[in-house]
Amino acid sequence: GENVEQHPSTLSVQEGDSAVIKCTYSDSASNYFPWYKQELGKRPQLIIDIRSNVGEKKDQRIAVTLNKTAKHFSLHITETQPEDSAVYFCAASNRVDSSYKLIFGSGTRLLVRP
Amino acid sequence: DGGITQSPKYLFRKEGQNVTLSCEQNLNHDAMYWYRQDPGQGLRLIYYSQIVNDFQKGDIAEGYSVSREKKESFPLTVTSAQKNPTAFYLCASSFHRIAGGRNTGELFFGEGSRLTVL
Repeated sequence: GENVEQHPSTLSVQEGDSAVIKCTYSDSASNYFPWYKQELGKRPQLIIDIRSNVGEKKDQRIAVTLNKTAKHFSLHITETQPEDSAVYFCAASNRVDSSYKLIFGSGTRLLVRP
Repeated sequence: DGGITQSPKYLFRKEGQNVTLSCEQNLNHDAMYWYRQDPGQGLRLIYYSQIVNDFQKGDIAEGYSVSREKKESFPLTVTSAQKNPTAFYLCASSFHRIAGGRNTGELFFGEGSRLTVL
């Protein structure tokens, strides 16, 4: 089955700097890669996702890149702000059965220092 | 107001007791899921259901049971066979299939239920 590894487990950056979180996956058939953000005490929420037919996707200060050959994808946050502090989860899914059964990484706790 | 609701938010259980966590959604989603969240281990899938009266085991199903008698409801029972039940449990739902761009596969999560075994 699919296995998703996520690094680093914790990340501390100065406000205004960039943050990068990396994930690798094992199943070459996986073709959907979302990122979820979980603020302290709140539910996870989707912030961006990418499908295997594209290599990069941007939404304002966040971007995701995908390298299918190497089986890794990354989340990039530019001009970080204190409200970006949260736990971020990457995930991968093989949509062959259309179930969107996601396998999550272990999470990265991002702290943005003011 | 559409959404997904979990109850109770906090639950305490004595060893040897079964406990059922409720999950209800009014988003007309076909698929529903139960995840367990432990510190440093991310979200691990317990069970999922794509349609009514059908469900599949996830990666850590042992000691848990579910039912899907209604589209809106997917309760999770933590049985006495679950060796380490203290955790934060998250329910989620999504559309089952993409249809004309109507959905994206996004998971909508409940606020979670924190179970503590005394």
